[in-house]
Amino acid sequence: NAGVMQNPRHLVRRRGQEARLRCSPMKGHSHVYWYRQLPEEGLKFMVYLQKENIIDESGMPKERFSAEFPKEGPSILRIQQVVRGDSAAYFCASSPRASPTGELFFGEGSRLTVL
Amino acid sequence: AQTVTQSQPEMSVQEAETVTLSCTYDTSESDYYLFWYKQPPSRQMILVIRQEAYKQQNATENRFSVNFQKAAKSFSLKISDSQLGDAAMYFCAYRMDSNYQLIWGAGTKLIIKP
Repeated sequence: NAGVMQNPRHLVRRRGQEARLRCSPMKGHSHVYWYRQLPEEGLKFMVYLQKENIIDESGMPKERFSAEFPKEGPSILRIQQVVRGDSAAYFCASSPRASPTGELFFGEGSRLTVL
Repeated sequence: AQTVTQSQPEMSVQEAETVTLSCTYDTSESDYYLFWYKQPPSRQMILVIRQEAYKQQNATENRFSVNFQKAAKSFSLKISDSQLGDAAMYFCAYRMDSNYQLIWGAGTKLIIKP
């Protein structure tokens, strides 16, 4: 049973370009969470999605960031017009139901570097 | 608001010895979950151990155990018989029973000396 798959593992963008990060949850999981990790810090919640629905995006910056989880295909975190401050590791996690007993299953993260 | 504090940015221990990592949290909730995650250089987050707040018994997983003090809002991780493969960042995290968000501490870097 494959784990949470994220790609690309590393992405380099110049300021003003767009970044797209993809996440395929574990088989049987329909809930996806995106977290951001800045250097030397813990993870910060960004958004929680179910298939075709955004449940909570309270951690997402109001501008330039968007996320989706379509009926078919992976979840996408999209960052438009990237700036240097967007450089971070972006982690996706999945769970099998809305209020799991605790554990989230994490991917290996996508490291975004903005030049 | 809930917060999680890890006061030790870095800890080191001799291989085969025991080390304890500290974590305190602040909450007004009575039902919640606490976790320790390990992040090796590969950067993947790996669950080490979890504790439900309603359980008085401390969780254990092989060489890993916790000291959960609910009244003091403390949740320390003890690693016995430390191994080189234990070297990693360790993060303490909190989740309310009614909420899916994880609140994370800043992490403790664990160094294992051979």
